[in-house]
Amino acid sequence: DAKTTQPNSMESNEEEPVHLPCNHSTISGTDYIHWYRQLPSQGPEYVIHGLTSNVNNRMASLAIAEDRKSSTLILHRATLRDAAVYYCIPMNNNAGNMLTFGGGTRLMVKP
Amino acid sequence: EAGVTQSPTHLIKTRGQQATLRCSPISGHTSVYWYQQALGLGLQFLLWYDEGEERNRGNFPPRFSGRQFPNYSSELNVNALELEDSALYLCASSLEQGMNGYTFGSGTRLTVV
Repeated sequence: DAKTTQPNSMESNEEEPVHLPCNHSTISGTDYIHWYRQLPSQGPEYVIHGLTSNVNNRMASLAIAEDRKSSTLILHRATLRDAAVYYCIPMNNNAGNMLTFGGGTRLMVKP
Repeated sequence: EAGVTQSPTHLIKTRGQQATLRCSPISGHTSVYWYQQALGLGLQFLLWYDEGEERNRGNFPPRFSGRQFPNYSSELNVNALELEDSALYLCASSLEQGMNGYTFGSGTRLTVV
């Protein structure tokens, strides 16, 4: 499995954009980059995933570096409900397909 | 559409007993995954079932076992419970072997006393 590095925690102000970085320098060519988040007292929630191109959905945007060794999850306007632990997870579609969670980034949002 | 449902929500057992946890996936999802989230240890992969077969297993002793039924629901059994088995057990389901996202349930909180 590709190893990931994420900051332990980040802080943001409400209504401001948040950029959550992830380094995955050992990612293989067939690994997709998945992002999940876990709100307090809940199971993880799928956020977004991508392979090479930048991706957008109603929750967030995913910017993937050209060399694919890093990616950034972008929340365009943080709300208090976005306070959660965010996990970046490379996943190989040929290797058992289970998500391997690291420590993630705890995002705190200040009003 | 109903999400992934897990039962019971909370379970208290005595050391040495057996625990059975249940999971109903989203309708149409054939893959079910089990994870353990112990305090301070993060999410650890336990088991993956697809089409009734165990496809992969995490680094857990054999007293952690499970099965998947023909309706794709799943059971996780933990035998000979130890205090350190106290954790939140999460179940997830997916289509297409997870490539378009997993949906997690809210978990079963198991406490071993």
